[in-house]
Amino acid sequence: LAKTTQPISMDSYEGQEVNITCSHNNIATNDYITWYQQFPSQGPRFIIQGYKTKVTNEVASLFIPADRKSSTLSLPRVSLSDTAVYYCLVGPGSYNTDKLIFGTGTRLQVFP
Amino acid sequence: DSGVTQTPKHLITATGQRVTLRCSPRSGDLSVYWYQQSLDQGLQFLIQYYNGEERAKGNILERFSAQQFPDLHSELNLSSLELGDSALYFCASSVDWVTSTDTQYFGPGTRLTVL
Repeated sequence: LAKTTQPISMDSYEGQEVNITCSHNNIATNDYITWYQQFPSQGPRFIIQGYKTKVTNEVASLFIPADRKSSTLSLPRVSLSDTAVYYCLVGPGSYNTDKLIFGTGTRLQVFP
Repeated sequence: DSGVTQTPKHLITATGQRVTLRCSPRSGDLSVYWYQQSLDQGLQFLIQYYNGEERAKGNILERFSAQQFPDLHSELNLSSLELGDSALYFCASSVDWVTSTDTQYFGPGTRLTVL
């Protein structure tokens, strides 16, 4: 079962790079790693997805080491608008409802 | 805009009542998921439908039920409402239900308040 563990909260200042790490020791061979962002009173929004090594898009980068037992979401030069909750999900290689467990995520607070 | 629509946006009702929440998935998506999010809590998966059939169940109470219709829209029925059912209810949709790269697109949610 691909359970994930993330820090409950993180603080940062505008302009800094933020790295949020997610542990997923039981990740399966066919599992992908997906990160979502949620603002208060809004539905989560897809940020980035990856399988191994590094993935980059216009919003973030995702670093996945060779053993794939963890992943790191990197947000470059955060702004106040990046204050949100970030969820790491792993799946659905061997389909089960664990892929649908968002947990409590990491609450990122960005200060001016 | 994710393309997923939910109605109503807000719902205020009394304990013991029954309500129905509606969700229309993105065009082309066959899977619909329902989640509950209480104040300052994480998302709790309730139930998933794929092309009209129930595919997965989470922590859904027996007082709650859902269905997906032939046009792929879905309804979540909540009955015998209790104060603790007050929460944001999100619907999400995705293309498939088991594809490795499948991602979910969430609607804006329905805020239910039980008085």
